[in-house]
Amino acid sequence: EAGVVQSPRYKIIEKKQPVAFWCNPISGHNTLYWYRQNLGQGPELLIRYENEEAVDDSQLPKDRFSAERLKGVDSTLKIQPAELGDSAVYLCASSPWQGGYEQYFGPGTRLTVT
Amino acid sequence: AQSVTQLGSHVSVSEGALVLLRCNYSSSVPPYLFWYVQYPNQGLQLLLKYTTGATLVKGINGFEAEFKKSETSFHLTKPSAHMSDAAEYFCAVSDPDEKLTFGTGTRLTIIP
Repeated sequence: EAGVVQSPRYKIIEKKQPVAFWCNPISGHNTLYWYRQNLGQGPELLIRYENEEAVDDSQLPKDRFSAERLKGVDSTLKIQPAELGDSAVYLCASSPWQGGYEQYFGPGTRLTVT
Repeated sequence: AQSVTQLGSHVSVSEGALVLLRCNYSSSVPPYLFWYVQYPNQGLQLLLKYTTGATLVKGINGFEAEFKKSETSFHLTKPSAHMSDAAEYFCAVSDPDEKLTFGTGTRLTIIP
């Protein structure tokens, strides 16, 4: 069984530029999560999807961050414009049923904003 | 609100020695507790979880953890450390809305 796939793995951009991250969850997993992990910290939830619906986006900075999950499968997280403080690892995870009881994480995208 | 405290951001043990990583949690309801491991440049992998039932939970790679409600703890142990155990370990708690809150992590170093 293939795991959670994320791309790109690394991205370096200048501040004020846009950037997008892509996630393909494990087949059949209805719940998808985007996390941000700052250096030396644990992951923090940005948004959670149940199928196509964003059921928890309370921690998503909506002035510059957006996300979508078309057809309830793949998801894209976008930042526009990026700021220096956005440098972090962006992790995608999925789970096979509603609930955070067992989440499967992708390898993450390491974003560096210069 | 849920919170997790991991005591010791860095822990070093000799190969073959006992591994003990500490985790204390705060929760207003019976918690679901997790330990994840993260190897360099990789995502998080579930080591073990406590939901209900037996308070001593066994996970992968020889790790286990014990839920102690009276101490609000969920410490991770392994009897004998191996070089391949070197990684970052995260304790996490799930709230009733099924949101995971992670601790700040403990970096485990194994001394040959």
